[in-house]
Amino acid sequence: AQSVAQPEDQVNVAEGNPLTVKCTYSVSGNPYLFWYVQYPNRGLQFLLKYITGDNLVKGSYGFEAEFNKSQTSFHLKKPSALVSDSALYFCAVRDRGTDKLIFGTGTRLQVFP
Amino acid sequence: DAGVIQSPRHEVTEMGQEVTLRCKPISGHDYLFWYRQTMMRGLELLIYFNNNVPIDDSGMPEDRFSAKMPNASFSTLKIQPSEPRDSAVYFCASSPRLGDTGELFFGEGSRLTVL
Repeated sequence: AQSVAQPEDQVNVAEGNPLTVKCTYSVSGNPYLFWYVQYPNRGLQFLLKYITGDNLVKGSYGFEAEFNKSQTSFHLKKPSALVSDSALYFCAVRDRGTDKLIFGTGTRLQVFP
Repeated sequence: DAGVIQSPRHEVTEMGQEVTLRCKPISGHDYLFWYRQTMMRGLELLIYFNNNVPIDDSGMPEDRFSAKMPNASFSTLKIQPSEPRDSAVYFCASSPRLGDTGELFFGEGSRLTVL
């Protein structure tokens, strides 16, 4: 079965510093990977996706993610964090068999001024 | 487009009562999903529809839960009778298609509290 793991429940970073939110995946075949963000009391919003091609994917709000096949990872990154980036971040993988989107457990990002 | 619209945003009810959550997907989207979010279990897919037809309801927790999509612009998730353990935020999401695009458009959620 396809799955993703987010090893950190929470990530703390100072404003202006680079941030990384980790995600590893377990799939058979080529993965379709996604990142979503959830702000307080809101629904999830799509940030970016990897389907094929360039391993560095750029998305909304200055975020990017690097697909690493050898490490089976798809970490979310941003060069300079903003306080407004504080939110819950979900990694997800498309199950090729069922077409369902399987979400990770989420990582809470806290950016301190 | 107004996005995915859910109602009510908040619902507080007593155990044993019937709860109906409503969703209006984005016009033109063929897929509709119901998710449940709790601290303990994270984000769980309950059921999804394609062109108003339920495709996979394996995530529906038990017979107390039912979902319908009578037309392309409306879906309901019903819990009868409700129990305190049903307390959660329920999200509806829609998508124009599946496959490799994967982008789901979520509503703001319905926060259910069962006392």
